[in-house]
Amino acid sequence: SYVLIQPPSVSVAPGQTARITCGGDNIGSKSVHWYQQKPGLAPILVVYDDSARPSGIPERFSGSNSGDAATLTISRVEAGDEADYYCQVWDSNSDLYVFGAGTKVTVL
Amino acid sequence: QVQLQESGPGLVKPSETLSLTCTVSGDSISNYFCSWIRQSPGKGLEWIAYISYNGYSNHNPSLKSRVTVSVDTSKNQFSLRLTSVTAADSAVYYCARNLVLTPALSSFDVWGQGTMVTVSS
Repeated sequence: SYVLIQPPSVSVAPGQTARITCGGDNIGSKSVHWYQQKPGLAPILVVYDDSARPSGIPERFSGSNSGDAATLTISRVEAGDEADYYCQVWDSNSDLYVFGAGTKVTVL
Repeated sequence: QVQLQESGPGLVKPSETLSLTCTVSGDSISNYFCSWIRQSPGKGLEWIAYISYNGYSNHNPSLKSRVTVSVDTSKNQFSLRLTSVTAADSAVYYCARNLVLTPALSSFDVWGQGTMVTVSS
């Protein structure tokens, strides 16, 4: 089935920009969605359809998708952004939703 | 606003059946799909199945024929049954709303708080 590759961890200083990649074969042809999950809590959708933001999600969260990689960008990182982030797509060949393994964002 | 709440036993014996219910409040379920997703301790997210308000469903092939999902529109509830459970099925189980009605395009925009299910004798 389709595999999504994420870096296990990303570290960033407050106020800087964090970029989290999600690699997959021709992922640019799919709709990519991103979730934030803090310890003990359910995931929250932060970006859908590659670059759209749900209501209530700060503009600091943005997404892009092209070729073999999608990227979630968090601008002006805050301490509260520290969390695990997962990408997700629909694998039409296997008829199932696929999640990446997650990236832990640490705010230094 | 829409809220989802999972309920069911927190402990299931090996080889028995795990049964969970997702109760939706704040909206009628006759408007969307609902998915079940699980997360083993310290691990990532795994999609289990989705079902629509009218009973159309699909499940993760990796779970083969062990999964059954159903819907009760009169109670505004979705349900999950997973048979022949093993320790590997121990996880936090979430129900989540599919944002759009086309699976290939859908994300999950509203999640329940999750319920931990442990498989142990």
